[in-house]
Amino acid sequence: GAVVSQHPSWVICKSGTSVKIECRSLDFQATTMFWYRQFPKQSLMLMATSNEGSKATYEQGVEKDKFLINHASLTLSTLTVTSAHPEDSSFYICSAPGPGEQAFFGQGTRLTVV
Amino acid sequence: EDQVTQSPEALRLQEGESSSLNCSYTVSGLRGLFWYRQDPGKGPEFLFTLYSAGEEKEKERLKATLTKKESFLHITAPKPEDSATYLCAVQVSGGSNYKLTFGKGTLLTVNP
Repeated sequence: GAVVSQHPSWVICKSGTSVKIECRSLDFQATTMFWYRQFPKQSLMLMATSNEGSKATYEQGVEKDKFLINHASLTLSTLTVTSAHPEDSSFYICSAPGPGEQAFFGQGTRLTVV
Repeated sequence: EDQVTQSPEALRLQEGESSSLNCSYTVSGLRGLFWYRQDPGKGPEFLFTLYSAGEEKEKERLKATLTKKESFLHITAPKPEDSATYLCAVQVSGGSNYKLTFGKGTLLTVNP
């Protein structure tokens, strides 16, 4: 099946710094990718839709200046958490629609801000 | 507002003890209902897509069914390796393709 690779799988950063998370579709092209956030025992919440060659679309309540999304090519989208704070600590997951109807998910990135 | 509610939140079974997980949904129009399995610290792994009421799909010990208001994931004679969180998600008609709304999931633990 199609593979979506997400990197890093975990990261610890100091409060106030920025962190970049990469999401790659390895064997297919993705003009659209999705970024989710998941808190413990909670549902995956869609943060934004990443569109290749155009601006990302953010869900209500998600700060676009804090969560910067870049979709520079048909196989790569990046999420940068700027000026991270402890409340940004969460599990971030990307997905891309691949062959067939289903979305394929990355492995997720555990972000801990200290 | 589109809503997806999964029950129970957690379920403990003995190996071989069959059961069902429920996913109730309220949407303006259903394009598709998806079931995923998620292991701790991992991204969701696709299991099934259902499109219309009455549809059923099977994979090994799992069987998913769909009605106009809910979906069930039946687990027959589960094994410890079936332990995971099972997520239900809906895709709405007329919305962005592939945009999914997820339930909170059911944490399944199968004891040997």
